[in-house]
This record gives sequence, C-alpha cells and structure tokens, in this order.
Amino acid sequence: DVVMTQSPLSLPVALGQPASISCRSSQSLVDSDGNTYLNWFQQRPGQSPRRLIYKVSNRDSGVPDRFSGSGSGTDFTLKISRVEAEDVGVYYCMQGTHWPPWTFGQGTQVEIK
Amino acid sequence: QVQLVESGGGVVQPGRSLRLSCAASGFTFSSYGMHWVRQAPGKGLEWVAVIWPDGSNKLYADSVKGRFTISRDNSKNTLYLQMNSLRAEDTAVYYCASEVMGHFDYWGQGTLVTVSS
Repeated sequence: DVVMTQSPLSLPVALGQPASISCRSSQSLVDSDGNTYLNWFQQRPGQSPRRLIYKVSNRDSGVPDRFSGSGSGTDFTLKISRVEAEDVGVYYCMQGTHWPPWTFGQGTQVEIK
Repeated sequence: QVQLVESGGGVVQPGRSLRLSCAASGFTFSSYGMHWVRQAPGKGLEWVAVIWPDGSNKLYADSVKGRFTISRDNSKNTLYLQMNSLRAEDTAVYYCASEVMGHFDYWGQGTLVTVSS
C-alpha cells in the first residue's frame, strides 16, 4: 500500500499569513495514463470532508483562489496564501493512483495563532 | 446539485450486523463509481470500499474484507454497505463519496456507527 505522510501535523497560523502543508508518498503517484492522482481535502470542525484540489493542482468549483496545490512524483504541497478564520480545520492529502486501497495522509490541523 | 445522504447508523453489539444506506440525487447515479470511507472518533480518514457504476466490480479494504459488502440499487439511486461481524474497531462515522468529477468529489454528512456491548 502507498503510505502518505503529511507534515506538519499541527500548524498554528496568524490570520492573513501564509500556510504550507507537505505531503509525501512512499512511491511515485504518476499513473500509466500520465496523470497524477493526488487530492487535497478540507474538513472543518463538525463537518464532512470537502475536496479542494484534484490531480495535484486543480481547484474544485467554489474553492477560493488562496488555496493552491503543487508538486510532482512523490512530493506535494498545499498552500494557503492568506489564512482566514474559515480555513480552520484538518487537511488531508489522498492518493488515487495505486489502488486499492485509496490512502490518505494522517491529516494536518490548521488553527489560528 | 449533488446530494448524498447517509442513514442506518446506530449502536450495535459486537458480532451483530448493520446496513447503511446512501441516497444520491443531483447526478446520474448509475454512471459513477461510489465509495464508503470511515473516520473513527478523533482519527483520520480510512477508505472502506468501492463499487463500479454497474455494480460489476467491488473492492474492499483488508480491514473489512469478508465482513462488509458494498452494493447499489441504481433504480433507487441508493448505495449500501452491509456490515456483518462488527467489531469495536469498526466504530466510526461512515461517509459515502462519489466519483462524478474524479475521486471523492462529493461526500455525504456521514452516519455514526458505534459497536459496543
């Protein structure tokens, strides 16, 4: 199984400041079709997960442009350019290249400093 | 808009069974794969099972293989998860998630399953 490792696991950030979450996979996530199936999810307190980013860098509809995804191979990053209060929650990366199983990172808790 | 609504959770004794449902609307249900994902209290996300659009193929996490069965009724736009031989470690919120626009694009609100004597 592909292991997804996120860092940091806890990220205190001041309002208006940038935030960055790293996600590393135990093997390359480049699929035989050329795509890289790496998604990012946000889970606000008491809510269901919501997909933010798919295939590394594509923002889902309605996701603010302060969220961006980047990376390749085994190394990926989710960045929030200016953290807002509504961004508090847990963020997960997930790989969909080598399945089954689909595997998630441990989650990164973003909180306001 | 896409809507997924889970139901069927509750408190159940170890070794007993429970069936979860996920009612889908807002998209052509029969055209897309569907997943179950669970989240134990205070823990992260764990993929549980997937079913192909026509139900022809089903895959399971090792932790539930042989005990859980995923199925769907495309005439009712509903996804199911039959859970047998439940264990304490199956206690979690269970989410259904779709593949309308790629993996896990839409999620339901979840249903809590508590396995306890």
